[in-house]
Amino acid sequence: DTAVSQTPKYLVTQMGNDKSIKCEQNLGHDTMYWYKQDSKKFLKIMFSYNNKELIINETVPNRFSPKSPDKAHLNLHINSLELGDSAVYFCASSQRMGSGNTIYFGEGSWLTVV
Amino acid sequence: AQTVTQSQPEMSVQEAETVTLSCTYDTSENNYYLFWYKQPPSRQMILVIRQEAYKQQNATENRFSVNFQKAAKSFSLKISDSQLGDTAMYFCAFMKQAGANNLFFGTGTRLTVIP
Repeated sequence: DTAVSQTPKYLVTQMGNDKSIKCEQNLGHDTMYWYKQDSKKFLKIMFSYNNKELIINETVPNRFSPKSPDKAHLNLHINSLELGDSAVYFCASSQRMGSGNTIYFGEGSWLTVV
Repeated sequence: AQTVTQSQPEMSVQEAETVTLSCTYDTSENNYYLFWYKQPPSRQMILVIRQEAYKQQNATENRFSVNFQKAAKSFSLKISDSQLGDTAMYFCAFMKQAGANNLFFGTGTRLTVIP
């Protein structure tokens, strides 16, 4: 069973569209994250949620809106997609915040905006 | 602010040989955690090894070990008996002990194991 699963794995869409990426973890973790990996492979956090509460919101355009219906799910919705949004988006989770809890990643969702 | 530097964009190693990947970091924190993640062509981020800064003993996981030098802020990864399946991008990452669990990543080292 996949611990952190995200769908879709591949997404090609046109500029201006709205799209969502879904994420679910079955590890019983309290904390979930979205990371973005750009074309140069650099990974950076976008958001983190702890028990459905937003904890980290890095400098991300407000076109990106995370939603956590429960602590096992953290979805990412993107409005008015732009070419620069093309990247791999990783969902991740950890048991809780602080104390160096290891972060476990999903397989990534490769978004291409044309 | 925390920064993580991986000065080797690409490396290669012969199968069965040993290779060391470098990582340095900059922080004013005293307690923190360090990680190495592997990203094979499948793109999944896989945890390789982690080190707690308060532990002097270097972490090991089978063929993977680290050389953690706290004073020098250095955290290198040694892969022994390299296998073809070790071919991947390797990312060094830093996490503070307190507060939000934010991983700060280096820019990665692409390792190729040559048969």
